[in-house]
Amino acid sequence: LAKTTQPISMDSYEGQEVNITCSHNNIATNDYITWYQQFPSQGPRFIIQGYKTKVTNEVASLFIPADRKSSTLSLPRVSLSDTAVYYCLVGAAANQAGTALIFGKGTTLSVSS
Amino acid sequence: NAGVTQTPKFRILKIGQSMTLQCTQDMNHNYMYWYRQDPGMGLKLIYYSVGAGITDKGEVPNGYNVSRSTTEDFPLRLELAAPSQTSVYFCASSQKETYGYTFGSGTRLTVV
Repeated sequence: LAKTTQPISMDSYEGQEVNITCSHNNIATNDYITWYQQFPSQGPRFIIQGYKTKVTNEVASLFIPADRKSSTLSLPRVSLSDTAVYYCLVGAAANQAGTALIFGKGTTLSVSS
Repeated sequence: NAGVTQTPKFRILKIGQSMTLQCTQDMNHNYMYWYRQDPGMGLKLIYYSVGAGITDKGEVPNGYNVSRSTTEDFPLRLELAAPSQTSVYFCASSQKETYGYTFGSGTRLTVV
């Protein structure tokens, strides 16, 4: 499984756009990139997933360059409620049996007013 | 749609006791997982299952056992509880290993 590297922490203010970059230099051809959000005392929550280029949903955007060795989670106009830990994971290929996602320490995002 | 349900939410065990953490999902997901999260740390994979009757070890399986007799249930068994097993335990499920995981609300376990 590909190892990921992301910043330990980030600070932002309400209304700003936040970009969290994750490095995954040894990503495999069929691996997907998935981001989760975790609030204190709760289980992680799926945010977004992508394979290449750009993916956007109602919560965030995920930018993946052509070489796929990194990815950037973009949170538009953050609010205090976006204060959480964000995990970047590189998942197994769909045709590989017997695998599971490995979570790192994630990035703690603190949003201030 | 309840999603992933974990019971109990809290539990205090004495050293050497055993217990089973229950996990049930109603989404007909084939894949299920158990993670533990120590304070201020990320999640560590204990065991996972790709379908009924199939289980496999994760990063930290020692001291735990699992079974998967049905698609819905994936209980985690702690034998001879130790203080090092004090943690928050999360169960999750997914349709495929590449799909987003749905997590339960967790079981906070303290071993004293």
